[in-house]
Amino acid sequence: QKEVEQDPGPLSVPEGAIVSLNCTYSNSAFQYFMWYRQYSRKGPELLMYTYSSGNKEDGRFTAQVDKSSKYISLFIRDSQPSDSATYLCAPYSSASKIIFGSGTRLSIRP
Amino acid sequence: SAVISQKPSRDICQRGTSLTIQCQVDSQVTMMFWYRQQPGQSLTLIATANQGSEATYESGFVIDKFPISRPNLTFSTLTVSNMSPEDSSIYLCSVRGTATNYGYTFGSGTRLTVV
Repeated sequence: QKEVEQDPGPLSVPEGAIVSLNCTYSNSAFQYFMWYRQYSRKGPELLMYTYSSGNKEDGRFTAQVDKSSKYISLFIRDSQPSDSATYLCAPYSSASKIIFGSGTRLSIRP
Repeated sequence: SAVISQKPSRDICQRGTSLTIQCQVDSQVTMMFWYRQQPGQSLTLIATANQGSEATYESGFVIDKFPISRPNLTFSTLTVSNMSPEDSSIYLCSVRGTATNYGYTFGSGTRLTVV
């Protein structure tokens, strides 16, 4: 079993839709949970990070962590064409290296 | 968060040659990380570069193929040696965040094509 599993997509939704991106992980020691956004031909940029379980909101983005089920989600409200990118989940602990999911390619149709 | 300058941004190289990628950070950092991202794939850690000691390589990566230098706390280089078409990838350097910002920051990457 991979340490981090992420649906590769591609996922295509109309502009304005709510997008849900998800990952599962197997290492219960993970404490920090990050989401990266990567535009084509660019390096990944940190979008959000959370520590332990719970929700964190930043504008149109909400990151959710459920450590009991080892499930992490990123929700995008009122999606825009500029949100079209690959999204990578990346959990880690202070004792481990960061592990990246395979990435979900998202396309927002105008 | 740190700002990372990476160069070259892209290159096309002949097989059998070597390419050195440079990574400059605008603040002092203990560890710098080098990643490879093959087409359509996620990021794979190549090695961790510590200042003043040899780099630590991940399984499947060796120093002879990917020598790394770390002369000071703001700079590192990764060399891709004796290149083959299978080395065509994006190579990225990264640093870990601070005590108040745990996220990793990435350079914009070097897109390498080996012909």
